[in-house]
Amino acid sequence: QKEVEQDPGPLSVPEGAIVSLNCTYSNSAFQYFMWYRQYSRKGPELLMYTYSSGNKEDGRFTAQVDKSSKYISLFIRDSQPSDSATYLCAIDTNAGKSTFGDGTTLTVKP
Amino acid sequence: DAGVTQSPTHLIKTRGQQVTLRCSPISGHKSVSWYQQVLGQGPQFIFQYYEKEERGRGNFPDRFSARQFPNYSSELNVNALLLGDSALYLCASSLQGAPSEAFFGQGTRLTVV
Repeated sequence: QKEVEQDPGPLSVPEGAIVSLNCTYSNSAFQYFMWYRQYSRKGPELLMYTYSSGNKEDGRFTAQVDKSSKYISLFIRDSQPSDSATYLCAIDTNAGKSTFGDGTTLTVKP
Repeated sequence: DAGVTQSPTHLIKTRGQQVTLRCSPISGHKSVSWYQQVLGQGPQFIFQYYEKEERGRGNFPDRFSARQFPNYSSELNVNALLLGDSALYLCASSLQGAPSEAFFGQGTRLTVV
């Protein structure tokens, strides 16, 4: 069993939709929870990170962590075609050795 | 400001050969991490270096090695290449290695034939 499991997708939504991306993890030692966006043939770009249970907002993006359920989510409001990319969740013990999910590919159609 | 730069961008090698990949971190960043991303999967941690010392190693064979230079740039070496080593190799730099401050380069696409 992988340490991080990510909903596989792919996901296709119309412009303006709310998108929910989800991951589960197995190791309670993980303290940092990150979401990366990766465009085709590019390196991952850090979108958001959090280290506590609850919600963290940044513009149209909300990261949600539930440590009791070992469940993390990223919500995208008012999705745009430019949001089309692969989204990767990642978790870390603060040692800088992040464990990534396999990514969910999102397509937002105009 | 220059971001994380990796070279070369693409590389084709034959099975059994050796390869060296290079990474220049963001100015002022002292930590470099290497990841392997196989097509359709997430990045997998290979090494982390901080202040020229190895701080962590992932579950990769001894054919993989790395080092960090006094200017904080880094090299990843892979010996005796296998077809399964074909992947995107990513370098991430950060000030001190914290996962919340990692910036990734564009990667080096390695194809082993």
